[in-house]
Amino acid sequence: AQSVTQPDIHITVSEGASLELRCNYSYGATPYLFWYVQSPGQGLQLLLKYFSGDTLVQGIKGFEAEFKRSQSSFNLRKPSVHWSDAAEYFCAVVPKAAGNKLTFGGGTRVLVKP
Amino acid sequence: DGGITQSPKYLFRKEGQNVTLSCEQNLNHDAMYWYRQDPGQGLRLIYYSQIVNDFQKGDIAEGYSVSREKKESFPLTVTSAQKNPTAFYLCASSMGHSGNTIYFGEGSWLTVV
Repeated sequence: AQSVTQPDIHITVSEGASLELRCNYSYGATPYLFWYVQSPGQGLQLLLKYFSGDTLVQGIKGFEAEFKRSQSSFNLRKPSVHWSDAAEYFCAVVPKAAGNKLTFGGGTRVLVKP
Repeated sequence: DGGITQSPKYLFRKEGQNVTLSCEQNLNHDAMYWYRQDPGQGLRLIYYSQIVNDFQKGDIAEGYSVSREKKESFPLTVTSAQKNPTAFYLCASSMGHSGNTIYFGEGSWLTVV
């Protein structure tokens, strides 16, 4: 079945440490890939997206993501987290040639320790 | 400023009542969407519309209805048939073509009392 999986429900990281959030997808063809961030009680903000080309994608707020076709993964990274990065992060996909409907993973909540 | 406006931010409804959530966008986007988010969970698609006067059911359309009479507006009605309507509702829009970025509003909290 087609799906998007974020294996980690919660991640706690110290301020200044690196962060990596995992995302795996299961689709016949590589879909369009997105990462969104949501602060509590707020809407979603796009961090970055991958359509094709360079497999390392740069986004806003110092985030980057790497697409690995062989692993069906699109992991999000940040070299040094700030307290303001505490939020929930969602990986999402849009299957190509299937309209423009996002399918979301379950989300990963990031807590930042001082 | 361009964006997506949802109202109201907080809404309380008695059981058995219908309620309508408003969503307006001034981004000139063709497509609009409604998602539902339950605590600690991802978002699930309720309805979407790619053009005016046309809309399709998403994954969890039962108990909901929509209309798309104007390009900039896509209201969602939560009917009394929706068994568990308490949730956070997010409206979104995009240019419509596959792969275009989807932008979200700030959301509406609906609580059934």
